[in-house]
Amino acid sequence: SSELTQDPAVSVALGQTVRITCQGDTLRSNYASWYQQKPGQAPVLVIYGKNNRPSVIPDRFSGSSSGNTASLTITGAQAEDEADYYCNSRDSSGRHNYVFGTGTKVTVL
Amino acid sequence: QVQLQESGPGLVKPSQTLSLTCTVSGGSISRGGYYWSWIRQHPGKGLEWIGFIYYSGSAYYNPSLSSRVTISVDTSNNQFSLKLSSVTAADTAVYYCARVSTPSTGNFFDYWGQGTLVTVSS
Repeated sequence: SSELTQDPAVSVALGQTVRITCQGDTLRSNYASWYQQKPGQAPVLVIYGKNNRPSVIPDRFSGSSSGNTASLTITGAQAEDEADYYCNSRDSSGRHNYVFGTGTKVTVL
Repeated sequence: QVQLQESGPGLVKPSQTLSLTCTVSGGSISRGGYYWSWIRQHPGKGLEWIGFIYYSGSAYYNPSLSSRVTISVDTSNNQFSLKLSSVTAADTAVYYCARVSTPSTGNFFDYWGQGTLVTVSS
């Protein structure tokens, strides 16, 4: 399957922890990358590979994977983390075909 | 710091060809080691990978768009381009260009342009 499924929306209290999941068969053999998108802005890479962050991304963002599910965790969510989050991975067919997840809207209460 | 900037018409008529260019600064496309990609986002919707190209000209496309898409590269001007033919209103979207890093652990899109809205309408 070339689909990546995410929960449409999650909410988190300020300072608490939230986990965003991404499910798909391809994740059994490929890592996901994660992107944050705020309204009217381009997506920003937040996690790639096993659990790597670009230097500008705070360490409250972390990634993990198990079976067909990849997860992005925000530990100690801040108001500025309110955004849409998308996972992405390569198609499980092995071809150069990249699929984005359906996206999760994170609301910080 | 790598920067990407999309340019092209914001309005295209149905059945015509959408053409966009991405200009890269802060790094040479010819250096190699990266793919250069187009991604789009329909209004209020999620992201869709269109395709990417290597500086050598090798290109790969989303199978759902491959019959209408051509991505090309112009290393002399440090640009790459997108052509999408036979457009309809369903091709109205924000189009982003992005750089693709290619480590052994899997590709990811590390630098993005700001995006450009293309509307298909007569």
